Amino acid sequence: GQQLNQSPQSMFIQEGEDVSMNCTSSSIFNTWLWYKQDPGEGPVLLIALYKAGELTSNGRLTAQFGITRKDSFLNISASIPSDVGIYFCAGRGNFNKFYFGSGTKLNVKP
Amino acid sequence: EAGVVQSPRYKIIEKKQPVAFWCNPISGHNTLYWYRQNLGQGPELLIRYENEEAVDDSQLPKDRFSAERLKGVDSTLKIQPAELGDSAVYLCASSFRQGLAADTQYFGPGTRLTVL
Repeated sequence: GQQLNQSPQSMFIQEGEDVSMNCTSSSIFNTWLWYKQDPGEGPVLLIALYKAGELTSNGRLTAQFGITRKDSFLNISASIPSDVGIYFCAGRGNFNKFYFGSGTKLNVKP
Repeated sequence: EAGVVQSPRYKIIEKKQPVAFWCNPISGHNTLYWYRQNLGQGPELLIRYENEEAVDDSQLPKDRFSAERLKGVDSTLKIQPAELGDSAVYLCASSFRQGLAADTQYFGPGTRLTVL
């Protein structure tokens, strides 16, 4: 199947710092999604991107759909303790199939 | 609006036993997904339904896994018999897809399965 490379695997940052994570794919995607998963819960949708080059914000979160359609990044500005969790990227490929990255574990020190 | 509902939330069984998971999608969502999430990994698709039809079950281990979505609403996923390697979180997600419009998925809380 298609491979999604998500990096970094984990991050330790200080409260108030900005965070950036990204996903790359060997194949073109039609949609990029970013999710956050807390322990014991399902992933919660943060941002959806539908067009190459699209830049979308949701509060302190900003995500972009790469122009090549093979990558996406997520930025979190001014991190706070409740940002702790695992962030997953997902891409929608052919036949409406979704592929997920392996996640970026974010730790925020107060 | 109620989200995706899954039950049970946790299940512990011995290997070779059967197990079933239930999912109720968001009202009006015509597409339903079952994913398996191993520890430290992202979700991997097992099966996708559009209404009652399973349109993608290529990743479903059909020798022991089965699923159904009668009436195009609720769905059940069954494993019989369970093996040790089936221990994982089983996630259900739903979305509304109309024509060629892009869709986004909303996940339930998952069922954490432990096979002893």
